Amino acid sequence: NAGVTQTPKFRILKIGQSMTLQCTQDMNHNYMYWYRQDPGMGLKLIYYSVGAGITDKGEVPNGYNVSRSTTEDFPLRLELAAPSQTSVYFCASTNTWGNQPQHFGDGTRLSIL
Amino acid sequence: TQLLEQSPQFLSIQEGENLTVYCNSSSVFSSLQWYRQEPGEGPVLLVTVVTGGEVKKLKRLTFQFGDARKDSSLHITAAQPGDTGLYLCAGGHGNKLVFGAGTILRVKS
Repeated sequence: NAGVTQTPKFRILKIGQSMTLQCTQDMNHNYMYWYRQDPGMGLKLIYYSVGAGITDKGEVPNGYNVSRSTTEDFPLRLELAAPSQTSVYFCASTNTWGNQPQHFGDGTRLSIL
Repeated sequence: TQLLEQSPQFLSIQEGENLTVYCNSSSVFSSLQWYRQEPGEGPVLLVTVVTGGEVKKLKRLTFQFGDARKDSSLHITAAQPGDTGLYLCAGGHGNKLVFGAGTILRVKS
């Protein structure tokens, strides 16, 4: 069972470069989320989507963009990488909101130098 | 902004000891989830509690949701080295989750 797949697992960027973090889920979940995890800070919500074509900002959206053209894919775009965006990024999905668990990918570790 | 405060931040104990991790907020949540995360992996759900005062047991783990649905606790009995990891609580609010900063647990054999 693939579940939520994130690529790449690791990446080093230079300041000002751009990149896209990929996230794909094969569970036909409507809800998808992007989080960043910094040491001692827990998970902070960047963007989320409740279905194809619908996205909304979370707690820390500045410097990021997302799109949701299909149910399966929810890529996260960094346009002008900054050192403050060095973090571990997690994508998650769930089928319906309520009390359902979020299923997480294994994360992308991103360093910006 | 809703906040969930977890305590302690770090806990190092000997195998066989008991421990409790706390998750507190001034906000009311529709549900409270507990996740466990190992290095290099994403969080994995342990339990969801939804009713004030609810208690759930998962083998040696006991989870409780406060009566006012603002706080929760995780109690581990006779901790094992396999319990080592990062424990995260997360409060449900609409279609989003608010995460605490986590408790790093290390169980030494």
